[in-house]
Amino acid sequence: GNSVTQMEGPVTLSEEAFLTINCTYTATGYPSLFWYVQYPGEGLQLLLKATKADDKGSNKGFEATYRKETTSFHLEKGSVQVSDSAVYFCALSDYSRGGGNKLTFGTGTQLKVEL
Amino acid sequence: NAGVTQTPKFQVLKTGQSMTLQCAQDMNHEYMSWYRQDPGMGLRLIHYSVGAGITDQGEVPNGYNVSRSTTEDFPLRLLSAAPSQTSVYFCASSYSSYSSNQPQHFGDGTRLSIL
Repeated sequence: GNSVTQMEGPVTLSEEAFLTINCTYTATGYPSLFWYVQYPGEGLQLLLKATKADDKGSNKGFEATYRKETTSFHLEKGSVQVSDSAVYFCALSDYSRGGGNKLTFGTGTQLKVEL
Repeated sequence: NAGVTQTPKFQVLKTGQSMTLQCAQDMNHEYMSWYRQDPGMGLRLIHYSVGAGITDQGEVPNGYNVSRSTTEDFPLRLLSAAPSQTSVYFCASSYSSYSSNQPQHFGDGTRLSIL
């Protein structure tokens, strides 16, 4: 079956520090990969996505590259801000006939950015 | 557009009570799903629907029931609430049931406590 493993949190950084959140996956087919972000008290929002090997997704200064050879999709940002404090989820979507567009999530990584 | 709307936002139940969590989307999305979010476990799929009149079980379906009589609505029913069902519940939808690169849109969640 499909699975997603992401680094344990919480991660605490100073403002303007470099961020990496590791994510690796196991899938039987050719999944699309996503990063979602959850701010306190809110639902999940799509941050970025990549749909095939070597694609780079990017948004709001965050980026991640779909690496098929290492089955990874690590999230990076060059300079974090206090407003980036949230929980980040790595996920994969693997369509199957009859099963639809299912998402498999990692456990989430909480990021706290301090001044 | 309202997107995905979940009601209620908060609910406290007693063990054995039943209730329905409402989910509605106004984007004419084909695929809808329910997840539960528990600490350290990410989001787990409860039930999903690939279109009106079609539903199926996800990873953790026991104790829950769904129906999809219209494209817009996808209610989740707790048949006899148990403390193990204390969780945050998210409804999500995506445009197509048959494309893994479609991101899912999430509601703001229902925080449910079972006493």
